[in-house]
Amino acid sequence: QEQVVESGGGVVQPGRSLRLSCAVSGFSLNSYSMHWVRQAPGKGLEWVAAVWYDGSKKYYVDSVKGRFTISRDNSKNTVYLQMNSLRAEDTAVYYCGRDPGEAYYYMDVWGKGTTVTVSS
Amino acid sequence: DIVMTQTPLSSHVSLGQPASISCRSSQSLIHSDGNRYLTWLHQRPGQPPRLLIYKISIRFPGVPDRFSAFGAETDFTLKISRVEAEDAGVYYCMQTTQFPWTFGQGTRLEIK
Repeated sequence: QEQVVESGGGVVQPGRSLRLSCAVSGFSLNSYSMHWVRQAPGKGLEWVAAVWYDGSKKYYVDSVKGRFTISRDNSKNTVYLQMNSLRAEDTAVYYCGRDPGEAYYYMDVWGKGTTVTVSS
Repeated sequence: DIVMTQTPLSSHVSLGQPASISCRSSQSLIHSDGNRYLTWLHQRPGQPPRLLIYKISIRFPGVPDRFSAFGAETDFTLKISRVEAEDAGVYYCMQTTQFPWTFGQGTRLEIK
């Protein structure tokens, strides 16, 4: 069964850091680009970051550029989101999703999400 | 960034009746490869989103055929031919032609 499982969320003070992990199973991570999408409480979806299947390209939404870093370790079947200098507005459920890439560009397998709360 | 605008933001539809959601992009979604990358997702409360449609009109495997979608240039539509109780939730359009990928605000569908 193809699935992704996010972990690493929690409560953190503004300005601190957190690293989210996205562990995949049931498929070969090195064949897919991967994305992070977040959803603030009661709000809509916001795309956050993407990493190409081979790690060669990375993209970010402007609001996290310079603070968040997406990475992947295909040997560990895991994608990461390093979040530094966290702000209250980063509070959200963070979802990880799989993207078959070129000629597809969609997210077909989503995790259940991990919750990040930034609060003093 | 491409802005995606959905209408309506809320809809109440009776069981068995059709439903329609519109989505407009602030600019063309044509990719350098000639495709237009517009997806539709459905999210039930407390659950992650689920992919329904990709590349404007292609139904993802396992999605019931009561869901259809079409569009061109900057205007796109998702239709449900006869709503069922399980169709309740929030529907999002999303452009994946250009980074940053962007979502519409979401349309809440309630079944009467």
